[in-house]
Amino acid sequence: GAVVSQHPSRVICKSGTSVKIECRSLDFQATTMFWYRQFPKKSLMLMATSNEGSKATYEQGVEKDKFLINHASLTLSTLTVTSAHPEDSSFYICSARATGTANTEAFFGQGTRLTVV
Amino acid sequence: GIQVEQSPPDLILQEGANSTLRCNFSDSVNNLQWFHQNPWGQLINLFYIPSGTKQNGRLSATTVATERYSLLYISSSQTTDSGVYFCAVGKLTSGTYKYIFGTGTRLKVLA
Repeated sequence: GAVVSQHPSRVICKSGTSVKIECRSLDFQATTMFWYRQFPKKSLMLMATSNEGSKATYEQGVEKDKFLINHASLTLSTLTVTSAHPEDSSFYICSARATGTANTEAFFGQGTRLTVV
Repeated sequence: GIQVEQSPPDLILQEGANSTLRCNFSDSVNNLQWFHQNPWGQLINLFYIPSGTKQNGRLSATTVATERYSLLYISSSQTTDSGVYFCAVGKLTSGTYKYIFGTGTRLKVLA
């Protein structure tokens, strides 16, 4: 299957700093990428959908100024957590779908565990 | 928005037992996938199954799209099957594609 690489897998940062997480589709072009957040023992919550070359669509309740998403190319999307605080600590996972019709499966990165101290 | 509910939320089995996990969704969908999340958080893709039936070893899945549900069958369960199982559905609405996860089933298989 197709490969989605997410980096870093784990990051610890100080409160008030910003952290950037990268999501790359290694062997296919991804028109659409998704960013999810997962709290302990909970399901994955969709944060935003990004389409290459356009602004991301954020889900209700997600602060777009806090979670900046850029999808500048067909193989790379980034999520930047700005001015991070301890409550932003979480597991973040990206996903990518190949360019094409609606009937294509999604592939997931390995996830990034963010700890803000 | 679309709601995706999974049942049961928790399941404890003895090794060797069979089980059925269910995923109900509230609207028509374009895609459906089943995942197993390992202890490190990685999602292992089990099936891409927007409709019909598929089998892979001890696992099989069936989606009845017209009735808005999917089932994941695990036969002869092993301790390594323990973990959380998610279904996720994809839907194209007004030009925007969303992929929504279900509530999950936490499975524990006892030796």
